[in-house]
Amino acid sequence: QKEVEQNSGPLSVPEGAIASLNCTYSDRGSQSFFWYRQYSGKSPELIMFIYSNGDKEDGRFTAQLNKASQYVSLLIRDSQPSDSATYLCAVKSGGSNYKLTFGKGTLLTVNP
Amino acid sequence: DAGITQSPRHKVTETGTPVTLRCHQTENHRYMYWYRQDPGHGLRLIHYSYGVKDTDKGEVSDGYSVSRSKTEDFLLTLESATSSQTSVYFCAIRGDRGQDTEAFFGQGTRLTVV
Repeated sequence: QKEVEQNSGPLSVPEGAIASLNCTYSDRGSQSFFWYRQYSGKSPELIMFIYSNGDKEDGRFTAQLNKASQYVSLLIRDSQPSDSATYLCAVKSGGSNYKLTFGKGTLLTVNP
Repeated sequence: DAGITQSPRHKVTETGTPVTLRCHQTENHRYMYWYRQDPGHGLRLIHYSYGVKDTDKGEVSDGYSVSRSKTEDFLLTLESATSSQTSVYFCAIRGDRGQDTEAFFGQGTRLTVV
């Protein structure tokens, strides 16, 4: 069973702080990694993807990937109350069928 | 917004009855997925499709079947609904542009089995 693990939280940070969300995966053949944000009662929406080792920055968001450690993270700088949501890590397995496996998600609360 | 529509959006059904959920896309994407989302379990893959009439099982496929006779439609059927299948069901679509191709989600279907 290929697994994607996330801390369920809740993770609570003050407004303006850095929020750090973590994800580990078991399939060494995994190729691509996605971070989705899901507001309560809504559908998941993509924040970032990463497939090369290292950091990838997009505005206040930075994704970090370490394939040797099978670890991917999402940093949110200058956290805002509007960032309060559940963050889902998704992993695309190797092969040609593009199967996506999600973690259980981490609930983030940003306190004003 | 990606052209993906789920129907119905809400449904209440009785135990033992068959139920079919529909996912319709206008993006001509190759890959389509059915997930269920439950508290404490996150999104779990039920079935997915990688082309017309090409489908495969996910991690929680028992009690579910799927069909994809056209690129645009992916149907999820509960042959005999049980209370454990009460959940929010999400359909997702994904193109074939490369390894960074994201999945887009439908609005979700809230199914209650009583």
